[in-house]
Amino acid sequence: KNEVEQSPQNLTAQEGEFITINCSYSVGISALHWLQQHPGGGIVSLFMLSSGKKKHGRLIATINIQEKHSSLHITASHPRDSAVYICAVALPYGGSQGNLIFGKGTKLSVKP
Amino acid sequence: NAGVTQTPKFRILKIGQSMTLQCTQDMNHNYMYWYRQDPGMGLKLIYYSVGAGITDKGEVPNGYNVSRSTTEDFPLRLELAAPSQTSVYFCASSFYPGPSSYEQYFGPGTRLTVT
Repeated sequence: KNEVEQSPQNLTAQEGEFITINCSYSVGISALHWLQQHPGGGIVSLFMLSSGKKKHGRLIATINIQEKHSSLHITASHPRDSAVYICAVALPYGGSQGNLIFGKGTKLSVKP
Repeated sequence: NAGVTQTPKFRILKIGQSMTLQCTQDMNHNYMYWYRQDPGMGLKLIYYSVGAGITDKGEVPNGYNVSRSTTEDFPLRLELAAPSQTSVYFCASSFYPGPSSYEQYFGPGTRLTVT
């Protein structure tokens, strides 16, 4: 079983829809990262969070440490949001400090 | 700042050949990483470095070597390329103390095919 599971694997939405991508993990973590991989392949960091909720524009990320679960929400989705969204967890400091464990990603396609 | 740069963008190797993937960052980050991304799989850590002169193995280090002689550069060496090393390779960097506290910045990737 993977330590980081994302759902759904693929998601197709109509422009304007509210989108939720889920991430569940089975290990103790110090932080959780949401990343976006563009169709051209580049990867950018969207959020890093260890508790609560963060918002940036139309993107909202939440985390529930007790339930080992995080969600990424996109409000008023747009075709330019089409990308692969990747969840990754950081092991607690003092462990393998270089290690992020990645989910397989959720491929989002937003149709006009 | 250019951020994290990688060269080359694409490369085709024959089985048994060697090559070096270059990675440079200009953000004065202590931490640098090499990942590989295979189709349908999450990124896997190959090697990482917490500063010049210090490197350590990640999850999938076999067939690769790294060095870190400067803060800026973190080259990845493939010796005796094998078809199993066909993948997209990403270099990344972050501030100390790493992914527990700071986001990672990724390079554009190198698409490598070994035939």
